[in-house]
Amino acid sequence: DQQVKQNSPSLSVQEGRISILNCDYTNSMFDYFLWYKKYPAEGPTFLISISSIKDKNEDGRFTVFLNKSAKHLSLHIVPSQPGDSAVYFCAAKTFGNEKLTFGTGTRLTIIP
Amino acid sequence: DAGITQSPRHKVTETGTPVTLRCHQTENHRYMYWYRQDPGHGLRLIHYSYGVKDTDKGEVSDGYSVSRSKTEDFLLTLESATSSQTSVYFCAIRGLAGASNEQFFGPGTRLTVL
Repeated sequence: DQQVKQNSPSLSVQEGRISILNCDYTNSMFDYFLWYKKYPAEGPTFLISISSIKDKNEDGRFTVFLNKSAKHLSLHIVPSQPGDSAVYFCAAKTFGNEKLTFGTGTRLTIIP
Repeated sequence: DAGITQSPRHKVTETGTPVTLRCHQTENHRYMYWYRQDPGHGLRLIHYSYGVKDTDKGEVSDGYSVSRSKTEDFLLTLESATSSQTSVYFCAIRGLAGASNEQFFGPGTRLTVL
């Protein structure tokens, strides 16, 4: 039962353009969402998060959008840079629960 | 940098042998976690700890035990390793006030069980 789904295993984007990574969830009790970036042979690095009381959170080149009615969130990276090439995981949690539920990841490749 | 180290970083072992992975943190975080990462599954929580000697199970805890005798160390033990436990294991700590919903990960341990 995959409660957090990243349906695109891979995505290629030209350098300088916008990268949009998508994530869908099924559990309406999730109230906090996170994005992580992972390079090979390293641990996931926290990027940005959003609470369910918001619909947008921005941090530099990274913006996360949350659509609660559609149970959908997306990560926008503008402009995309070669160093953004990595696997991106979305994750979700419910209040009072320590577990993060992860999606299966999307491999982003930025083409110079 | 959350000050998390994991040891060993790589290990190859045989089915049926015991294995212990160590996670060490230097910033006095109360909450610590063990996840495993497998293709097609993302990361899944094995066990977590909310203080010295205080631990609880995650979603894939069968075949694993944990111990936390000091704040800075969280050990994951496979009592009798099986091939299905071949995976990459990540330790994490919970962020402090203002970031308590976030978890920050160590570099990982790649375990191969032959």
